Amino acid sequence: QVQLQESGPGLVKPSETLSLTCTVSGGSVSSGSYYWSWIRQPPGKGLEWVGHIYYTGGTNYNPSLKSRVTISVDTSKNRFSLKLTSVTAADTAVYYCARGGGSSSGEGYWGQGTPVTVSS
Amino acid sequence: SYELTQPPSVSVSPGQTASITCSGDKLGDKYVCWYQQKPGQSPVLVIYEDTKRPSGIPERFSGSNSGNTATLTISGTQAMDEADYYCRAWDSSTVVFGGGTKLTVL
Repeated sequence: QVQLQESGPGLVKPSETLSLTCTVSGGSVSSGSYYWSWIRQPPGKGLEWVGHIYYTGGTNYNPSLKSRVTISVDTSKNRFSLKLTSVTAADTAVYYCARGGGSSSGEGYWGQGTPVTVSS
Repeated sequence: SYELTQPPSVSVSPGQTASITCSGDKLGDKYVCWYQQKPGQSPVLVIYEDTKRPSGIPERFSGSNSGNTATLTISGTQAMDEADYYCRAWDSSTVVFGGGTKLTVL
């Protein structure tokens, strides 16, 4: 059974960089069959796709966040990471990592989510 | 950018059929997934590739997609089905979510 676990600071100051890591167990980030995603949910609002990465290192990002987002993968530690620069209060959200099975298969495995607040 | 539109809320009586729609330009040309999210929990995939159910998802959940509209149908709705539901599609290598629909079972 694949499990994903997010980790990182729960509080980030405005204008600084949000950094989160998703550690994968029960499966390998090196598997060519999947991609690894970050999805966020502001308080009381809906889901927003942030971006995803393939084991090759290829990435796709939400166009509205593209200039501030970097997703990377560390195959040696079986984890992937999110960096979001120049954060504002609008970036306050629960951040989920997930495993995607393909463009049509959706994200079948999700982490429990980690809340991040942007505040001074 | 591509947009998916869902009704903010849908109500259904227990045992009846609930239908939640998701609209987008030529959505029938894309594959749609549906997620269920209960308060304080992570989303759960309930339908993928328009009509397929992942292992462990009850048969009362079904999906369809044609034209500009995809529909999630819950037959014999139970109290435990009360949740937020999100549609999702893939467009030009990006993922798009609908705004979500709150299903109330009353």
